[in-house]
Amino acid sequence: QQQVKQSPQSLIVQKGGIPIINCAYENTAFDYFPWYQQFPGKGPALLIAIRPDVSEKKEGRFTISFNKSAKQFSLHIMDSQPGDSATYFCAARDGSGTYKYIFGTGTRLKVLA
Amino acid sequence: DTAVSQTPKYLVTQMGNDKSIKCEQNLGHDTMYWYKQDSKKFLKIMFSYNNKELIINETVPNRFSPKSPDKAHLNLHINSLELGDSAVYFCASSHRGVGRNTEAFFGQGTRLTVV
Repeated sequence: QQQVKQSPQSLIVQKGGIPIINCAYENTAFDYFPWYQQFPGKGPALLIAIRPDVSEKKEGRFTISFNKSAKQFSLHIMDSQPGDSATYFCAARDGSGTYKYIFGTGTRLKVLA
Repeated sequence: DTAVSQTPKYLVTQMGNDKSIKCEQNLGHDTMYWYKQDSKKFLKIMFSYNNKELIINETVPNRFSPKSPDKAHLNLHINSLELGDSAVYFCASSHRGVGRNTEAFFGQGTRLTVV
């Protein structure tokens, strides 16, 4: 119930492609869904986030699609660039009291030049 | 102006030693966290403090003791270090309330290596 399942584990796309990373959850108390980008040797950096009453949010080349009834959300990266090569984590905040963030297992993305 | 800063960045120590990691945030957040990232990159929450009060204590060995002297600081002390404690430890902070920007911001991490 406290898990966030993330797939795929790794992804390789050509420059300009649109990688899609998917996450699913069970806990209906989750109330906030951020995505983080992590480069080697750095901390996770917030990329974009969405609340469950919104079905889509776009910021620059990054788009979150959210399906509340299916308890699924995904990250799309438009016109991907080699500089987007990083590990991406989805997360969910437990709004039932602890407000802790539960993270997915991460997706290692490589964008080929 | 680093939002969440933790020190040291690297820590190499022998088994059995005691060590501390310090964290400070200047974002005005009321909640701070410690996360552990293992070799497979999995991020797992260890502790959370809200306004200096411990609110989350996941199943972490009691050799790990967090301390929050004020809501801008959260330190992690580890006693009797073991090989399995080797990991990257991240401090993070956020607003806790509903209806506010509640994203968690992370520090740069402390890579702990126990030899």
